[in-house]
Amino acid sequence: AQSVTQLGSHVSVSEGALVLLRCNYSSSVPPYLFWYVQYPNQGLQLLLKYTTGATLVKGINGFEAEFKKSETSFHLTKPSAHMSDAAEYFCAVSNNNDMRFGAGTRLTVKP
Amino acid sequence: ETGVTQTPRHLVMGMTNKKSLKCEQHLGHNAMYWYKQSAKKPLELMFVYSLEERVENNSVPSRFSPECPNSSHLFLHLHTLQPEDSALYLCASSQNHHPKKETQYFGPGTRLLVL
Repeated sequence: AQSVTQLGSHVSVSEGALVLLRCNYSSSVPPYLFWYVQYPNQGLQLLLKYTTGATLVKGINGFEAEFKKSETSFHLTKPSAHMSDAAEYFCAVSNNNDMRFGAGTRLTVKP
Repeated sequence: ETGVTQTPRHLVMGMTNKKSLKCEQHLGHNAMYWYKQSAKKPLELMFVYSLEERVENNSVPSRFSPECPNSSHLFLHLHTLQPEDSALYLCASSQNHHPKKETQYFGPGTRLLVL
């Protein structure tokens, strides 16, 4: 069975600082990997996903993530945080059988 | 209206009530999903419909009963719920159920409180 671990249920950064949200997965087959964002009172929205090919994936709002097979990781980064990035972020792993979400990381951005 | 819509947005019900949650997708997708989102826990996939047929039922209690009358609409019928069923219920859709690399598009959810 596959699983997802998001390290840190809550991350706080200052505006303009680097954002790093960690995601590790386990999967017996090559995975598909996703990051979704959930703003208050809204559903989840896709930020980016890795299926095949280039391991550095660029998404919306300046976010990117790198698939590192050797580390079984898919960490999400953004060079400079904006106040509007405050939200909850979910990592997800999928194979041809099912899809699993992490428990989420709440990002707070301080002025 | 575009995307995935859900009604009602908020619902308070007693344990003996019967209510229904409604989801509608305007994206022309073939697959629809119900998820349960509880605080500090991963999203729990409840049901999956593909081309109006239920293809996944992840050990969900029978007090939750899904219905998919057509590819655009999905319902979740609720009956004799428990307080621990209080959560945000999210509906999602994707172009197809397989392969599982498709992006899912989520509605805003129904916040359910069971008293």
